[in-house]
Amino acid sequence: QKEVEQDPGPLSVPEGAIVSLNCTYSNSAFQYFMWYRQYSRKGPELLMYTYSSGNKEDGRFTAQVDKSSKYISLFIRDSQPSDSATYLCAMSADQGAQKLVFGQGTRLTINP
Amino acid sequence: NAGVMQNPRHLVRRRGQEARLRCSPMKGHSHVYWYRQLPEEGLKFMVYLQKENIIDESGMPKERFSAEFPKEGPSILRIQQVVRGDSAAYFCASSPTPDRRYGYTFGSGTRLTVV
Repeated sequence: QKEVEQDPGPLSVPEGAIVSLNCTYSNSAFQYFMWYRQYSRKGPELLMYTYSSGNKEDGRFTAQVDKSSKYISLFIRDSQPSDSATYLCAMSADQGAQKLVFGQGTRLTINP
Repeated sequence: NAGVMQNPRHLVRRRGQEARLRCSPMKGHSHVYWYRQLPEEGLKFMVYLQKENIIDESGMPKERFSAEFPKEGPSILRIQQVVRGDSAAYFCASSPTPDRRYGYTFGSGTRLTVV
């Protein structure tokens, strides 16, 4: 079993829809949770960062962490064609190495 | 302020040759991380370096792979005697501190193809 599970999709939705992306994880030591966006042939860029449980909102993006269920989500409101990309969740433990453990990534397409 | 610069963008090597991948971190960033992305997979951590020091190499294959971040110049990921399974995108990231709140800034990657 992978430490972080993410449905690779692809996911295709119409412009303006609310998008929900999710990851589950097995390592209860994870404390730091991130969402990265990766456009084709580019490196990932950090979208959202959350420490421990709770919600965080930034513009059209909302990140949720439920540590009791080992489940994290990213919501995109009023989705735009420019949101079309691969979204990767990433997480790391509070102690130990600096490495991030990434999900496989979900390929998202927003159709005009 | 240029971002993380990786070169070359594409690299083709025959089996048995050496591959050298270079990464120049963002200005002011002294922490460098290398990740590998295999087709249809997420990024996998390889190594974390600070200037002249390897801090965590727990993700590096035991043989053929090495990394350095000298006092002057870019960080280098070196793969000796490449095999087909080394074909992947290799991403470098940098950060000003190890504080995870600021995440990493990734480069655009080097796509290695072994033929």
